[in-house]
Amino acid sequence: SQTIHQWPATLVQPVGSPLSLECTVEGTSNPNLYWYRQAAGRGLQLLFYSVGIGQISSEVPQNLSASRPQDRQFILSSKKLLLSDSGFYLCAWERGEKLFFGSGTQLSVL
Amino acid sequence: AQSVTQLDSQVPVFEEAPVELRCNYSSSVSVYLFWYVQYPNQGLQLLLKYLSGSTLVKGINGFEAEFNKSQTSFHLRKPSVHISDTAEYFCAVKLTIKAAGNKLTFGGGTRVLVKP
Repeated sequence: SQTIHQWPATLVQPVGSPLSLECTVEGTSNPNLYWYRQAAGRGLQLLFYSVGIGQISSEVPQNLSASRPQDRQFILSSKKLLLSDSGFYLCAWERGEKLFFGSGTQLSVL
Repeated sequence: AQSVTQLDSQVPVFEEAPVELRCNYSSSVSVYLFWYVQYPNQGLQLLLKYLSGSTLVKGINGFEAEFNKSQTSFHLRKPSVHISDTAEYFCAVKLTIKAAGNKLTFGGGTRVLVKP
């Protein structure tokens, strides 16, 4: 069966520090992968999606970047975090018309 | 581009009472429709989806939703809620066309708080 792993679960980082969140999928190949952010009191915002290795599409201009170095690995990064980067980050993969979400990372930038 | 509006940001409801969460969408082409639930500090889980066929869709945990094309709505209902239904609920749409980058668009979410 397919599973999706996302880590860390929580992260507290100072402003200006780098960020790396990792997401991996097991049990499937060539999945479409997504990074969403859920800011406090707001809905889900699509940040990046990837249809294959090295293929990244950005939905909104921001302080973040994404990479897909391997088929089932999707990484969200930042060189210098801002206060506004705080939020709940969710990775997801797609099968058919359905999204499967990871358990999320709560990022607090202080 | 498609958009999704969830009219209620919060819905308090007493245990065993019915609940309806409203969702309206806008799209120039046909869409698939979804409801996802997010329990506290967790990721999202699919509750139900409408792809085609009967406009009344039944999902997990006793939830159902009805697709109304003329009103571009996909409201979620449950006749009797439990404390465990306390969560945030997201409506989402996806274009039916097969194209790279065709992705889910989510509404702003509705927080349901079930009170004893």
